[in-house]
Amino acid sequence: QQQVKQSPQSLIVQKGGISIINCAYENTAFDYFPWYQQFPGKGPALLIAIRPDVSEKKEGRFTISFNKSAKQFSLHIMDSQPGDSATYFCAAIYENNDMRFGAGTRLTVKP
Amino acid sequence: SQTIHQWPATLVQPVGSPLSLECTVEGTSNPNLYWYRQAAGRGLQLLFYSVGIGQISSEVPQNLSASRPQDRQFILSSKKLLLSDSGFYLCAWSVLSREREYFGAGTRLSVL
Repeated sequence: QQQVKQSPQSLIVQKGGISIINCAYENTAFDYFPWYQQFPGKGPALLIAIRPDVSEKKEGRFTISFNKSAKQFSLHIMDSQPGDSATYFCAAIYENNDMRFGAGTRLTVKP
Repeated sequence: SQTIHQWPATLVQPVGSPLSLECTVEGTSNPNLYWYRQAAGRGLQLLFYSVGIGQISSEVPQNLSASRPQDRQFILSSKKLLLSDSGFYLCAWSVLSREREYFGAGTRLSVL
C-alpha cells in the first residue's frame, strides 16, 4: 500500500536549471517529511526535512515546499549541478515512528 | 562518531543456497535497527526492524529472517535463496525517533 506517491520517476535537467520533485501523501497523521539522497551503489542519506507547521525550508540550494491543505510537498534543487545526479526519496513519518518512503526519482543533471 | 558497517558489499549466490548478511553499528547504544530491500529502480521496502536484542518485527512475509544477537548487530538470513531475493539490501539505524535514520552502504545480492 503506497501511502506516499512520488513523481516523476526520472528527471533530466540541464546544469544550472531547477530540479523539482513532487510527493503527495494521504494520511494526515504524518508529522515529519524527510528527503533522502542516494548515489549509485550507496545507501541513502538524509538531505533535508520539514514539519507540517512550516510551509518552506531552505538549506543551501535545496528547498522543501510544503502544502498542508493539499497534502503535497516538493523538493526544489536550485542551480542543479552534475554532482546532484542521484536518486531522491521523499518520506513521511507517523507520530508512532512508522515511516513510509516514496518510490524514488532518478535525477540526471547534464553538463 | 557513529558508524554503520555492512558486509559483504556484493554477493553472488546460487538459488537454494543460504544467506547471511551482517550489519553492525558503532558509537551508539540501544539503536533501532532496520533491514530494507531495494529492487532495481524501485523504492525502499522495509523488511525487518528491531528495537532491542532478540526483538524482531517483520513487515513483509517472505523467504528471509532477521536476528539481533547483540545490541549493535543485526543479521539478515535465508535458508534457501530464491531468484526473487536478488536486490540491494540496506541496513539502517536510528535512536528513538526515525526522523534521522542512517543507512549503511548496502549489499548487492545477485541470486543466479
